[in-house]
Amino acid sequence: DTGVSQDPRHKITKRGQNVTFRCDPISEHNRLYWYRQTLGQGPEFLTYFQNEAQLEKSRLLSDRFSAERPKGSFSTLEIQRTEQGDSAMYLCASSLGSGTLSGANVLTFGAGSRLTVL
Amino acid sequence: AQKITQTQPGMFVQEKEAVTLDCTYDTSDPSYGLFWYKQPSSGEMIFLIYQGSYDQQNATEGRYSLNFQKARKSANLVISASQLGDSAMYFCAMRGGGATNKLIFGTGTLLAVQP
Repeated sequence: DTGVSQDPRHKITKRGQNVTFRCDPISEHNRLYWYRQTLGQGPEFLTYFQNEAQLEKSRLLSDRFSAERPKGSFSTLEIQRTEQGDSAMYLCASSLGSGTLSGANVLTFGAGSRLTVL
Repeated sequence: AQKITQTQPGMFVQEKEAVTLDCTYDTSDPSYGLFWYKQPSSGEMIFLIYQGSYDQQNATEGRYSLNFQKARKSANLVISASQLGDSAMYFCAMRGGGATNKLIFGTGTLLAVQP
């Protein structure tokens, strides 16, 4: 297992363009999370999937953002009509989850996708 | 609402010395978990240590230990025998009750280890 993979690692785009990020979690992990991290801040939760079901979305996730996990494996995060304020690192994480609080369900993060909107 | 506070934006430590990174938290959940992650300049968040709210003993993982003081709602990370490779951002995070494992992060502390 090679851990959580994210692609692309870096994306530079012009304002108004659409961008899509992909996350491949650890294969046996049923939970997948997207976070956003801006400079000098800690990661902020965006959304969470258990298998293919999107169970929670943050108010940070405006209607320009959409995330999918169609087969319960990889996930995509799309940002439509990008704005300069969308410039950030987008982090994906995965974990096991049984619905109970357990220290074993550590979130494993990918290296992130850095978005720069010009 | 849950909240994590890290009041040290940056810290310096001499190589081979110990350093304590502060973290306080606020939650109304009776059951919760506290985590520390390291983020080097490469960007990847690396899990270091976990403490459950009902754990009787402070967690330790190699050179990392967590000084958990439940009544004071603090979960400070202690790094012993600092190494140059410890230079990174360190984030404290909390997971509350409920079905998700969602983590809430603090703003981080930048640690610089000096030779």
